[in-house]
Amino acid sequence: ELKVEQNPLFLSMQEGKNYTIYCNYSTTSDRLYWYRQDPGKSLESLFVLLSNGAVKQEGRLMASLDTKARLSTLHITAAVHDLSATYFCAVDDSLSGGSNYKLTFGKGTLLTVNP
Amino acid sequence: EPEVTQTPSHQVTQMGQEVILRCVPISNHLYFYWYRQILGQKVEFLVSFYNNEISEKSEIFDDQFSVERPDGSNFTLKIRSTKLEDSAMYFCASNSGYNEQFFGPGTRLTVL
Repeated sequence: ELKVEQNPLFLSMQEGKNYTIYCNYSTTSDRLYWYRQDPGKSLESLFVLLSNGAVKQEGRLMASLDTKARLSTLHITAAVHDLSATYFCAVDDSLSGGSNYKLTFGKGTLLTVNP
Repeated sequence: EPEVTQTPSHQVTQMGQEVILRCVPISNHLYFYWYRQILGQKVEFLVSFYNNEISEKSEIFDDQFSVERPDGSNFTLKIRSTKLEDSAMYFCASNSGYNEQFFGPGTRLTVL
């Protein structure tokens, strides 16, 4: 069974600081996704990482994937209040025997950026 | 830009009642999914649907749940006899099979 672990689960940071959220997963996959969720809202796709070594950046967020270590990171640079949200990583099962591309999510990281 | 739509946005029902949640996936997608998220928790897979049949379901998806694609566009999730613990946000998603899944805005189900 595919397991996805995120840490930290709660992150309180000051504006202007940098931090990294980690996502580990348990079986072979080279397809990893990062989503943002605001309270009561749907999942907004941030990054799709489809190969080992993939790195993508959008504004103050940068995501990377190391399939050998089964690790993805979401790095936040110079945080601003608008980044406050819950961030989920998710892995699909396409390389671990699955054929439906279903997603297994981590528990999410609740990020609060304080002025 | 194409998007997944869901109706209703919020459904309140009494325990034991049947509910049907509706979704319209992106038109050229082939895989359809239902996920749920209990308040404050992670998103959990319920069921996937491909080629007009269930391709995989989780342990949560018991006999009280069913899915249908009654026409070429709608994809529905039915809960026959709702329980209090069914209260959650239900997300529909679709996928072309190659890249990312696109999620709908969700239906918040409240069972009283």
